[in-house]
Amino acid sequence: NAGVTQTPKFHILKTGQSMTLQCAQDMNHGYLSWYRQDPGMGLRRIHYSVAAGITDKGEVPDGYNVSRSNTEDFPLRLESAAPSQTSVYFCASSYPDRENSPLHFGNGTRLTVT
Amino acid sequence: KNQVEQSPQSLIILEGKNCTLQCNYTVSPFSNLRWYKQDTGRGPVSLTIMTFSENTKSNGRYTATLDADTKQSSLHITASQLSDSASYICVVNGNAGNMLTFGGGTRLMVKP
Repeated sequence: NAGVTQTPKFHILKTGQSMTLQCAQDMNHGYLSWYRQDPGMGLRRIHYSVAAGITDKGEVPDGYNVSRSNTEDFPLRLESAAPSQTSVYFCASSYPDRENSPLHFGNGTRLTVT
Repeated sequence: KNQVEQSPQSLIILEGKNCTLQCNYTVSPFSNLRWYKQDTGRGPVSLTIMTFSENTKSNGRYTATLDADTKQSSLHITASQLSDSASYICVVNGNAGNMLTFGGGTRLMVKP
């Protein structure tokens, strides 16, 4: 099992450009989520999904969109990037119906918006 | 407001020494508390979970404690190794619905 795979690892965007961060998991986890990690702050949830076809907003959803067409994939789209979206982005998965299930994180995408 | 505060923010110790990381939370209701280790350039990985009824749990050289009355947890690392250099993140689960509150982490550096 590869676990949670994120691509790309690094990317530089110009303000106003769009891009999609990819996330794929092969553990048959129902729950998928996107977080951003900024210096001095805890991980903050952007969007999440408990099953294919179901998505919901997290703590900091503005400027980001998600979709969940199947169990494995959960792409995060930035429609018009802003410098404030410079961050490290993590995708994480777990079993949604098991209270003590840990989050399994990918290795992140480091995004810089200039 | 649910909050998780970790201390210290950063710590430098010599290889072979012990250290203790602290986590205080105000999350209510409480379901469980989990410690993650995050190596540089990698995603966090779960070390251990503490539920309401557990006071102490060990995972190799890592020992976590929980005091649910004072809402405090600690992570004790024994006989530190260079590979322990990482950030350690405390995460509190407030209920059964993946409502997690993350601490800001403690950055540990172990020097030879």
